[in-house]
Amino acid sequence: DAKTTQPNSMESNEEEPVHLPCNHSTISGTDYIHWYRQLPSQGPEYVIHGLTSNVNNRMASLAIAEDRKSSTLILHRATLRDAAVYYCTISSGSARQLTFGSGTQLTVLP
Amino acid sequence: EADIYQTPRYLVIGTGKKITLECSQTMGHDKMYWYQQDPGMELHLIHYSYGVNSTEKGDLSSESTVSRIRTEHFPLTLESARPSHTSQYLCASTATQGNTEAFFGQGTRLTVV
Repeated sequence: DAKTTQPNSMESNEEEPVHLPCNHSTISGTDYIHWYRQLPSQGPEYVIHGLTSNVNNRMASLAIAEDRKSSTLILHRATLRDAAVYYCTISSGSARQLTFGSGTQLTVLP
Repeated sequence: EADIYQTPRYLVIGTGKKITLECSQTMGHDKMYWYQQDPGMELHLIHYSYGVNSTEKGDLSSESTVSRIRTEHFPLTLESARPSHTSQYLCASTATQGNTEAFFGQGTRLTVV
């Protein structure tokens, strides 16, 4: 299964954009890139996913490198409620199971 | 809103006891999963199911077992709990068609004393 590598932690100021990077150099051609975030004592919450093209939704944007070996989650205006652990995951296999990395702890400063 | 539920949320139990962690979803999803997560660590897949009567082992070896007799229900059982089983267990499901988001339950935090 493809592995992901993320920085352990990042900080952002409130109302500023945040770019969370992820490396997945062993990704296969049919694997999807998913992002989830997790608050303490909660299950992960879906943020966004994509295959090759950049994706936008109401929560965030996902920029995928042309060679698909890396991607960046973009939060356009960070709020205090965005503070969480963000996981870049790879969805693979016939069951589309998710392979999680160690995640990035995002701290948002007021 | 995610319609996937796990019970109990917290469980403290003695060594050697048999326990079953419940997971139910009302979305009609065929694919369901169990992940294990130690504090401050990433999630590891321990079991998954393609649908009724289908169960598969995940990447992380686990002494737990699962069953899938009904689409909406995917319970996880430990026949004899040990302190090494102390962890958080998260259940998830996804729709059958295409590659869509996974919905996670709130998790069960298990402590074996």
